[in-house]
Amino acid sequence: QVQLVESGGGVVQPGRSLRLSCAASGFTFSSHGMYWVRQAPGKGLEWVAVIWYDGSNKYYADSVKGRFTISRDNSKNTLYLQMSSLRAEDTAVYYCARVVGTASIPYYFDYWGPGTLVTVSS
Amino acid sequence: DIQLTQSPSFLSASVGDRVTITCRASQGISSSLAWYQQKPGKAPNLLIYAASTLQSGVPSRFSGSGSGTEFTLTISSLQPEDFATYYCQQLNSYVPITFGQGTRLETK
Repeated sequence: QVQLVESGGGVVQPGRSLRLSCAASGFTFSSHGMYWVRQAPGKGLEWVAVIWYDGSNKYYADSVKGRFTISRDNSKNTLYLQMSSLRAEDTAVYYCARVVGTASIPYYFDYWGPGTLVTVSS
Repeated sequence: DIQLTQSPSFLSASVGDRVTITCRASQGISSSLAWYQQKPGKAPNLLIYAASTLQSGVPSRFSGSGSGTEFTLTISSLQPEDFATYYCQQLNSYVPITFGQGTRLETK
């Protein structure tokens, strides 16, 4: 069965860095685009970054552009999010999600990981 | 960016009730809308995609409708496990994806 499992969250001081991982199994990872989506405590969902199935395209929300980097290793079935210059407002649960769609149009996010909590605090 | 506005933000209802949640887009998105259910401490779960297509395994009491700028999610007869927060999501393109602010459905 399809599984996505995030790891790497924790408490980090403002200005520091953290790398999140999302281990995928149960499907052909290299065939799917992947998103990172976050949710601040008690708040709604916010997309963070997307990467194409082959890593050829990467896009970021304005709130993280220049600070976060999305990447993937299809040989290891793993998605990453390198976060730097972290701010208090980056505190959130971070989810990885699989997107289903065509090359140009997404249809839906059908599988999500359970999430990993990142807390940015001194 | 396309903005999504859900109404209401909070909804109190009882088991057996029929409930409807509305999602309005700031510009037309055809049928590029999905609905998710989220329970506390859990990841969102896909209910509906392409505005009205029920995801496999989702009970038939859930239904979606609409196109363009106005969409609805209807639960025909609320069950105890349906009390949760519901989000709409527009997928008009890969970037940017946006979500509604959420509708929290609580027991009356």
